Amino acid sequence: DADVTQTPRNRITKTGKRIMLECSQTKGHDRMYWYRQDPGLGLRLIYYSFDVKDINKGEISDGYSVSRQAQAKFSLSLESAIPNQTALYFCATSDLGGGNVLTFGAGSRLTVL
Amino acid sequence: GDSVTQMEGPVTLSEEAFLTINCTYTATGYPSLFWYVQYPGEGLQLLLKATKADDKGSNKGFEATYRKETTSFHLEKGSVQVSDSAVYFCALSDWDYGGSQGNLIFGKGTKLSVKP
Repeated sequence: DADVTQTPRNRITKTGKRIMLECSQTKGHDRMYWYRQDPGLGLRLIYYSFDVKDINKGEISDGYSVSRQAQAKFSLSLESAIPNQTALYFCATSDLGGGNVLTFGAGSRLTVL
Repeated sequence: GDSVTQMEGPVTLSEEAFLTINCTYTATGYPSLFWYVQYPGEGLQLLLKATKADDKGSNKGFEATYRKETTSFHLEKGSVQVSDSAVYFCALSDWDYGGSQGNLIFGKGTKLSVKP
């Protein structure tokens, strides 16, 4: 099994629908992140969490929310999806002492029609 | 604020050619520098890193040297293979004077295609 598992891997939805992307990890890492990848824009940080009770906004948090259900689980929600949220979403983890070496999931491709 | 600028792609090379992907950065503290690689259909993975000036990171034949005087961390490989075809991301995370490390800041990525 992968160290960082994202579900679903692909999702097509319609404008206005609520979407949840889930992430679970077996690394035992404290820190978890959600990034968005768009062509030509690289990766941009949406939210991050340093432990279960710590949630922080990243660069582009508007329109998104997160939940850290346990040390190993970190979910990203789009309450009302819009077409410009069409992107590839990555979950990542890191260890407190890991010097920002991130372990990434394989990605969740979301298309909003 | 902190930022990373890397050369735009795509870059197309023949097998066994020399590769350079340029990366420069702007940082206010003492950044650590990274190269991540994304193979088709996969997430990013760490390729190499350097944590202080003049350090050289290396892995899988790739190298990059942390040059504080030119604020650069260029990625090089002497002889590329078809299997090196991927998107390469330069990134930094900055340490502030209080000893806290910030989150990673990524460049926009450079797509490399290697032809047989």
